[in-house]
Amino acid sequence: QVQLQESGPGLVKPSETLSLTCTVSGGSISNFYWSWIRQPPGKGLEYIGYMYYTGSTNYNPSLKSRVTMSVDTSKNQISLKLSSVTAADTAVYYCARAGSAYGSDAFDIWGQGTMVSVSS
Amino acid sequence: QAVLTQPPSASGAPGQRVTISCSGSSSNIGRNTLSWYQQLPGTAPKLLMYSNTQRPSGVPDRFSCSKSGTSASLAISGLQSEDEADYYCAAWDDSLSGPVFGGGTKLTVL
Repeated sequence: QVQLQESGPGLVKPSETLSLTCTVSGGSISNFYWSWIRQPPGKGLEYIGYMYYTGSTNYNPSLKSRVTMSVDTSKNQISLKLSSVTAADTAVYYCARAGSAYGSDAFDIWGQGTMVSVSS
Repeated sequence: QAVLTQPPSASGAPGQRVTISCSGSSSNIGRNTLSWYQQLPGTAPKLLMYSNTQRPSGVPDRFSCSKSGTSASLAISGLQSEDEADYYCAAWDDSLSGPVFGGGTKLTVL
């Protein structure tokens, strides 16, 4: 059974770079789209970007200038970097898989999420 | 401001049928398939419906959805207490070249 686990610092200072890793266990990274989605406290879901296992990326235009995603197939990990963070970036960050039999636009597996707070 | 529009709340008594609407535009729902997610309190979202009307394995047939033009709706029949959750619709948006979500609907089982 494929499982996703997000990890990274729970507290980041304003203007610094948020760095998170999603580790995929129980399955391969290959042939799937891997996304980052965030949810500010008490609010809805916001798409950050996705990466195909080959390394091609797609970012939310509103975050594109600050987002970098990368993949390490040897470690079965997907990484997210979000630069110049502000309090508005405080959220639970989820990694999620798409591209299964349910379609390239359906996120069928999600990590449990990791809370990141931006504060000095 | 979410790209897809959902009512912020919905409610129903156990056993009743409730519907949740999702409205978009020609660049998203009007042209691409829709999915729905259920988020129980304190947990990650779970894929509830995909490709407009399909249920992943394990999702009860009490859940159904439909789509017409640039709008869609999720219906839950035989409402149960464990259905109390937040529900989100999502679709690919051709203008943004990425998926967009609704603002979410909080379902309360009375």
